[in-house]
Amino acid sequence: EAGVAQSPRYKIIEKRQSVAFWCNPISGHATLYWYQQILGQGPKLLIQFQNNGVVDDSQLPKDRFSAERLKGVDSTLKIQPAKLEDSAVYLCASSLGTSTGELFFGEGSRLTVL
Amino acid sequence: AQSVTQPDIHITVSEGASLELRCNYSYGATPYLFWYVQSPGQGLQLLLKYFSGDTLVQGIKGFEAEFKRSQSSFNLRKPSVHWSDAAEYFCAVGARSGYSTLTFGKGTMLLVSP
Repeated sequence: EAGVAQSPRYKIIEKRQSVAFWCNPISGHATLYWYQQILGQGPKLLIQFQNNGVVDDSQLPKDRFSAERLKGVDSTLKIQPAKLEDSAVYLCASSLGTSTGELFFGEGSRLTVL
Repeated sequence: AQSVTQPDIHITVSEGASLELRCNYSYGATPYLFWYVQSPGQGLQLLLKYFSGDTLVQGIKGFEAEFKRSQSSFNLRKPSVHWSDAAEYFCAVGARSGYSTLTFGKGTMLLVSP
């Protein structure tokens, strides 16, 4: 079974530029999550989708971050404009349903903002 | 709001020695509890989880964890550490209702000495 796919694995941009990350969850997984992991910290939830609807985006900095999950499968996370403090690993995860269960994580996309 | 505390940022253990990683959580009721492991440059992999029943849960790679309600703890243990266990370990808590997601601790980095 294919795991959660993310791209790009690495991205370096200058502050005020934009960047987009893509995630393809495990087939059949209804719930998709984007987490931000800053160096030395645990993952922090940015947004959670159930199919193509948002169920939690309370910690998403909406002035610069946006995410969508068209057709309830793939998802894109965008940052525009990027700030230095956005340097982090962006982890995508998926799970079968909404009740807490096992989350399957991708390898992450490491962003460096200069 | 739920929270997780992992009091040890780094732990060094000799290969073959036993291991215990501490995790304390804050939640109004009994949560779902998880331990994940993250190797460098990789996503998070589930080691074990507690939902209900036996408070001693077994996981992959020889790990186990014990849920102690009175201490709000879910410590991870392994009787004999291998060099390949060197990684970062994250404890996570999830609510039992609604569109629950996982809240992670800041992680404990395990170093294994020869």
